[in-house]
Amino acid sequence: QQQVKQSPQSLIVQKGGISIINCAYENTAFDYFPWYQQFPGKGPALLIAIRPDVSEKKEGRFTISFNKSAKQFSLHIMDSQPGDSATYFCAASKNSGGSNYKLTFGKGTLLTVNP
Amino acid sequence: DTGVSQNPRHKITKRGQNVTFRCDPISEHNRLYWYRQTLGQGPEFLTYFQNEAQLEKSRLLSDRFSAERPKGSFSTLEIQRTEQGDSAMYLCASSQWFSSYEQYFGPGTRLTVT
Repeated sequence: QQQVKQSPQSLIVQKGGISIINCAYENTAFDYFPWYQQFPGKGPALLIAIRPDVSEKKEGRFTISFNKSAKQFSLHIMDSQPGDSATYFCAASKNSGGSNYKLTFGKGTLLTVNP
Repeated sequence: DTGVSQNPRHKITKRGQNVTFRCDPISEHNRLYWYRQTLGQGPEFLTYFQNEAQLEKSRLLSDRFSAERPKGSFSTLEIQRTEQGDSAMYLCASSQWFSSYEQYFGPGTRLTVT
C-alpha cells in the first residue's frame, strides 16, 4: 500500500519556467509534509515543509500548496534553473508519541531543467 | 561539523557474506534514523534511535539486520547472510529530539550483493 503517491515520475522544464510536482496521501493522520531534494550521489536534503493548518508556504522560489480536503499537496519551483535539476521527493509523517519521526516518502520525480 | 557522514560509501559483497555500515550523525543530534532506498523508490524507514535506545524497528528489518548505537554517538547497521534483495542505498539521518521532523541525511552507503 503506497501511502504517498507522487507524480509525475519525470519532468522536463525550460530555464525560467515553472516546475510543478504533485503528491497525494491517504492517511489523514499525517500532519507534516516535507519536500526533499536529492542530487546524484548525495542524500536527500530538506527543501521546504508545511503543516496542514496553512494552505501555502513560500520560501524563495519554492512554494508548497496544500489542499487538506483533497489530501493533496504540491511543490512549485518558480523561475526554474539548471541547478534545480535533481530528484524531488515528497514525504509525510504523523505525530507519534509526541514527535514526527517516521517519514513516508513518495517515489520521487526526476526534474531536468534545460538551459 | 559538516553533517552526517557514512562509511563506506560503496560496498560490494557476495551473497551470504556479512556487512557492516557506519553512520556518524551531526554531533548535537540525539536522534538517528536508518532508511533504505532502492532504485526508483523513495527512502523507506527502517529504524531509529534516541541516544543509545532503539525505539522502533520497521518490519522491513528482518532478523538478519541489526542496528546499534553504543554510547549514543555513531551507529552501525549490520546485515548478516546478505541476499541479492538487500542491494540498495542505506541512508542514515539525524535530528534533534524536539525537531525530529527535520532530518538531515548522510550521503548513503550503496550496497551491491552479487
